[in-house]
Amino acid sequence: DAKTTQPNSMESNEEEPVHLPCNHSTISGTDYIHWYRQLPSQGPEYVIHGLTSNVNNRMASLAIAEDRKSSTLILHRATLRDAAVYYCILRPLVGSSNTGKLIFGQGTTLQVKP
Amino acid sequence: EAGVAQSPRYKIIEKRQSVAFWCNPISGHATLYWYQQILGQGPKLLIQFQNNGVVDDSQLPKDRFSAERLKGVDSTLKIQPAKLEDSAVYLCASSLRNYGYTFGSGTRLTVV
Repeated sequence: DAKTTQPNSMESNEEEPVHLPCNHSTISGTDYIHWYRQLPSQGPEYVIHGLTSNVNNRMASLAIAEDRKSSTLILHRATLRDAAVYYCILRPLVGSSNTGKLIFGQGTTLQVKP
Repeated sequence: EAGVAQSPRYKIIEKRQSVAFWCNPISGHATLYWYQQILGQGPKLLIQFQNNGVVDDSQLPKDRFSAERLKGVDSTLKIQPAKLEDSAVYLCASSLRNYGYTFGSGTRLTVV
């Protein structure tokens, strides 16, 4: 299973942008890059995913390097409610040889300071 | 849409007792997953169902854990007998093929 590398923790100030990095040098051509976050005492929450192109949604933006060996989750204006553990996960395309399961690592704990 | 429902929210049992957790996925989601999350770690996949069939149970400790998915909808995860190291949050998730997962809030199990 392909693996990702993330910093253990990061800090940000409220209302400033946050860039959460993720390295995935062994990514394969059919792996999607997924991001989830987990707030205290809750289950993980889907944030965003992409394959090759940068992606935007109401929660965040995902910037994917041209060689796909790294990606960055961008929170445009951090709020106190964004304090969570952020997981970067490679998910294989579901097919005959892949179940599409998500394998979680340790993630990055984001602290947001007022 | 309604989210993934799990119950109970909390459970405390003594070691060697049995316990069961229930999950109701989002309507129409064919794939259902059970994860175990030990404090301070990321969730670990225990079992994956596609409709009512098991797709992956390679990480399920089959000597004490069992799971079923009735009629491809609700699912139950059982532990019998429980050990102290089973203390964790048990998360259920469901998804459509190749889309994001939706997780429930989990059941926090404490084995004493």
